[in-house]
Amino acid sequence: AQTVTQSQPEMSVQEAETVTLSCTYDTSESDYYLFWYKQPPSRQMILVIRQEAYKQQNATENRFSVNFQKAAKSFSLKISDSQLGDAAMYFCAYRIFGNEKLTFGTGTRLTIIP
Amino acid sequence: GAVVSQHPSWVICKSGTSVKIECRSLDFQATTMFWYRQFPKQSLMLMATSNEGSKATYEQGVEKDKFLINHASLTLSTLTVTSAHPEDSSFYICSARAWPSPGNTIYFGEGSWLTVV
Repeated sequence: AQTVTQSQPEMSVQEAETVTLSCTYDTSESDYYLFWYKQPPSRQMILVIRQEAYKQQNATENRFSVNFQKAAKSFSLKISDSQLGDAAMYFCAYRIFGNEKLTFGTGTRLTIIP
Repeated sequence: GAVVSQHPSWVICKSGTSVKIECRSLDFQATTMFWYRQFPKQSLMLMATSNEGSKATYEQGVEKDKFLINHASLTLSTLTVTSAHPEDSSFYICSARAWPSPGNTIYFGEGSWLTVV
């Protein structure tokens, strides 16, 4: 069974600084997707970034980037120039290629310190 | 962009009654929808996969007779919590796969708070 582990229940960062959220996963599959979702207080799940496992290049979306280490089964999220609006729960998620089920990690609550 | 809408956003019902939550894809067809449950300060747990025109596929441990799922059209899936009890109180979120879409993008609804009293 696939599992997703987020070892940091809570993180905080000073506004404008950089923070990295950790995620590891366990799978025997070779083709899969990895995602980071943001859940603000409104509870709406918002896709932050996605990574296809077959791509060696790390995904980047503006201030958000990932460090994808396939051999280590690690998928960390780096948020640069942190903003107050980045405060939220962040969930790492995994999906096998061809299967639409998402498996979520336990989440990391990110606090931005003004 | 694609939008998934849930209704109601929050609902309070009496123990023993049934309550229906709707999940609609507003600007795309959704052949598959997913229902998740999220307890306070916990992660999302997949309850079932809803397939248009066929029976839903339930995850292990989810009572299919208690959580009835109907996906009668390409834009609507409903979750009915039957004979609700206080332990069913939770945040329920649906998601839908847009078809066609790059990378089979999955979109989430706003969620529905259910409180059973």
